[in-house]
Amino acid sequence: DAGVTQSPTHLIKTRGQQVTLRCSPKSGHDTVSWYQQALGQGPQFIFQYYEEEERQRGNFPDRFSGHQFPNYSSELNVNALLLGDSALYLCASSPRESGELFFGEGSRLTVL
Amino acid sequence: AQSVTQLDSQVPVFEEAPVELRCNYSSSVSVYLFWYVQYPNQGLQLLLKYLSGSTLVKGINGFEAEFNKSQTSFHLRKPSVHISDTAEYFCAVSDMNSGYSTLTFGKGTMLLVSP
Repeated sequence: DAGVTQSPTHLIKTRGQQVTLRCSPKSGHDTVSWYQQALGQGPQFIFQYYEEEERQRGNFPDRFSGHQFPNYSSELNVNALLLGDSALYLCASSPRESGELFFGEGSRLTVL
Repeated sequence: AQSVTQLDSQVPVFEEAPVELRCNYSSSVSVYLFWYVQYPNQGLQLLLKYLSGSTLVKGINGFEAEFNKSQTSFHLRKPSVHISDTAEYFCAVSDMNSGYSTLTFGKGTMLLVSP
């Protein structure tokens, strides 16, 4: 049983560009959450998707958007990249009514 | 809104010694509490969680934590650490209204176990 998988694992972008990160949830999970982990910090909640809709959102600007597909996989899009967007982006999945989040290994984004 | 304070950014300890990683939280509502571990270049793995019931929670790899509501703390303990426990440990909280997915994390404590 595959866990949460994320792609790409590493990528480098320049300021102003756009990036798309992808996540496949653990089998049987229908809820996907995205977190940003800056260097030396704890993860910060970006948003959560369930039934293809954004259900909850953290304190992130509209440059951060997402999507969930019918197969429960998800994408995180960031537009107009800033240097401060450099971070590890973590995807986590869970069953809707259950307590444990399963995290992927993350996508490390570097903005130059 | 909630917040989490991990009082130590780094905890050095010798192998087979006991360790305690401290976590305090603030919240205006009842909360769920979690400890996660992150090994280098990996995602987060759940060590243990407090949802309700007994305030002493046992987790994986010999870790345990005690929920203290009056002190708003959820300290993590292990009686004897191994080299392989070297990792970053994160305390997290979610309020009962938001559910389990919207966690607020502390800044983490790096546990450094040396021989």
